[in-house]
Amino acid sequence: EVQLVQSGAEVKKPGESLKISCKGSGYSFSSYWIGWVRQMPGKGLEWMGIIYPGDSETRYSPSFQGQVTISADKSTSTAYLQWSSLKASDTAMYYCARQDGICGGGLCYGSWGQGTLVTVSS
Amino acid sequence: SYELTQPPSVSVSPGQTARITCSGDALPKQYTYWYQQKPGQAPVMVIYKDSERPSGIPERFSGSTSGTTVTLTISGVQAEDEADYYCQSADSSNTYYVFGTGTKVTVL
Repeated sequence: EVQLVQSGAEVKKPGESLKISCKGSGYSFSSYWIGWVRQMPGKGLEWMGIIYPGDSETRYSPSFQGQVTISADKSTSTAYLQWSSLKASDTAMYYCARQDGICGGGLCYGSWGQGTLVTVSS
Repeated sequence: SYELTQPPSVSVSPGQTARITCSGDALPKQYTYWYQQKPGQAPVMVIYKDSERPSGIPERFSGSTSGTTVTLTISGVQAEDEADYYCQSADSSNTYYVFGTGTKVTVL
């Protein structure tokens, strides 16, 4: 069974750095794209970016390019999303999600993590 | 950057048909995927490659496409279908993906 387990909720101050994680299990971690999705309070889903752990190829939405960094560690089957300097507007639920093989080359998401709530407040 | 537009809300009586549209310039060239999200839960994919249903998704969910608009149809809507629905697709150069603006389906 494919499982994605995300790190716990975070409360940070503006300007602080943060790295949240998503650990995959039940499949070959290197062989499927893993992406990150933002959902601000009461708002819709936003596609942030995605990484292929096999070769670390990464793609970002223009809206998030330069704002966050996506990485992956094959040795621990874990993907990461990090910020160098948080803003209050980064307050949101962040989901990781894995590409589903039924979509062929398409980057659709068939498995999702439980979400990590990030709160940024002074 | 690329955008996908959905109606904010759709209301439907139980047993009737709900249709949710998603419009975007690159849709004729790119597959569309649809997700259902209930409050407090992670999204679930209900349609992939425009019109295919993943295993376990009821037959009442279907997808279609016409030019720059794709449609998710829920036939014989049930109370449990009340949720937010999002389309997803790639930009014209297949560089990145976007989600649609989202549609709240209310079952009257």
